Amino acid sequence: EDQVTQSPEALRLQEGESSSLNCSYTVSGLRGLFWYRQDPGKGPEFLFTLYSAGEEKEKERLKATLTKKESFLHITAPKPEDSATYLCAVQAPAFSGGYNKLIFGAGTRLAVHP
Amino acid sequence: KAGVTQTPRYLIKTRGQQVTLSCSPISGHRSVSWYQQTPGQGLQFLFEYFSETQRNKGNFPGRFSGRQFSNSRSEMNVSTLELGDSALYLCASSITGTNTEAFFGQGTRLTVV
Repeated sequence: EDQVTQSPEALRLQEGESSSLNCSYTVSGLRGLFWYRQDPGKGPEFLFTLYSAGEEKEKERLKATLTKKESFLHITAPKPEDSATYLCAVQAPAFSGGYNKLIFGAGTRLAVHP
Repeated sequence: KAGVTQTPRYLIKTRGQQVTLSCSPISGHRSVSWYQQTPGQGLQFLFEYFSETQRNKGNFPGRFSGRQFSNSRSEMNVSTLELGDSALYLCASSITGTNTEAFFGQGTRLTVV
């Protein structure tokens, strides 16, 4: 069964303290891995898409990487405004019922304190 | 460029009633997906439409249904509401729905009492 597991569930950082969030996945033929940021009461905001192992993408203080079994979201020198829930999702191929469907992890709640 | 618009933002309904939620995708996007988000189950896929056709459906009862119009706008209907249907319902639009980024709306917060 296709599955996405995120760790840790919650993370508390001091402003400027870099860290990484993990997303491990089990899917028969990954078609894409997506990272989203979600603020309370709002819809998820798209951050990155990764398609193949070894791929990396960056945006401001965030960098996403992908291996054959997991993805990391690295946060460098975070600021309080980076506080949010970060969601990871995978898209599985059609033959496993994943056609045009995103399978989400439970998310990591990040709190950055000044 | 306008984002994904969902209406209404908040709804309170009584058990047994039915509800219709609306989603207007980003201009040029032809795929619309619906998700249910609850604290216990997280984000779960309901269904996806492309060019007025449902292409995939999640594991939800038949009380949950949807449709898409020729202008790509989509509606989702839940009949015979149950307390457990209380959730944030999110709509996502993408150009094709396959291997492309999906952009979410702000969601409709449904409370069933």
